[in-house]
Amino acid sequence: KQEVTQIPAALSVPEGENLVLNCSFTDSAIYNLQWFRQDPGKGLTSLLLIQSSQREQTSGRLNASLDKSSGRSTLYIAASQPGDSATYLCAVTGGFKTIFGAGTRLFVKA
Amino acid sequence: DVKVTQSSRYLVKRTGEKVFLECVQDMDHENMFWYRQDPGLGLRLIYFSYDVKMKEKGDIPEGYSVSREKKERFSLILESASTNQTSMYLCASSLRGEGADTQYFGPGTRLTVL
Repeated sequence: KQEVTQIPAALSVPEGENLVLNCSFTDSAIYNLQWFRQDPGKGLTSLLLIQSSQREQTSGRLNASLDKSSGRSTLYIAASQPGDSATYLCAVTGGFKTIFGAGTRLFVKA
Repeated sequence: DVKVTQSSRYLVKRTGEKVFLECVQDMDHENMFWYRQDPGLGLRLIYFSYDVKMKEKGDIPEGYSVSREKKERFSLILESASTNQTSMYLCASSLRGEGADTQYFGPGTRLTVL
């Protein structure tokens, strides 16, 4: 059974810092891995999707990597801003099922 | 832009009531999903549908049913609401295929059952 773990559970950093969020999964037979952002009380916004055949994806200040063999993904946020404060979720999809991690709550201090 | 809308942002119901949560997507997506999100438990899949009139159980289908009569609309039904169904409910859709595409989420419905 697929399990997705995110470390750390919470993170507080000063504005401008580069940071890395980690995601690990137990079953490497995945179609893709997706990183989402969730603001308090809101739905999820897709940030990056990495197909199983890809190693990384980039969007603006965000870069996500995928290492299927080790069951790991990282989300790198460059030059963090207070507006980046949110919960970040990673999710792995195999077949029709998507399993989510519990998320990392990020707080960027001005 | 893909848009997934949910009928209510907040809903308060009484124990035993029948509750309908509606989700509509406007991008002709084939796959639609219902999740619930609870503190400490994350998002858990309740049901999904990969085509009109097709449905598959997710990880926690007990106490729920679904209906997909039209491609754009996926309804979650609580036949007899109970307090342990108080939660945030999130609907999502994706274009096609077995997980090949990005899931797009609606804003969520926060349901409270008294």
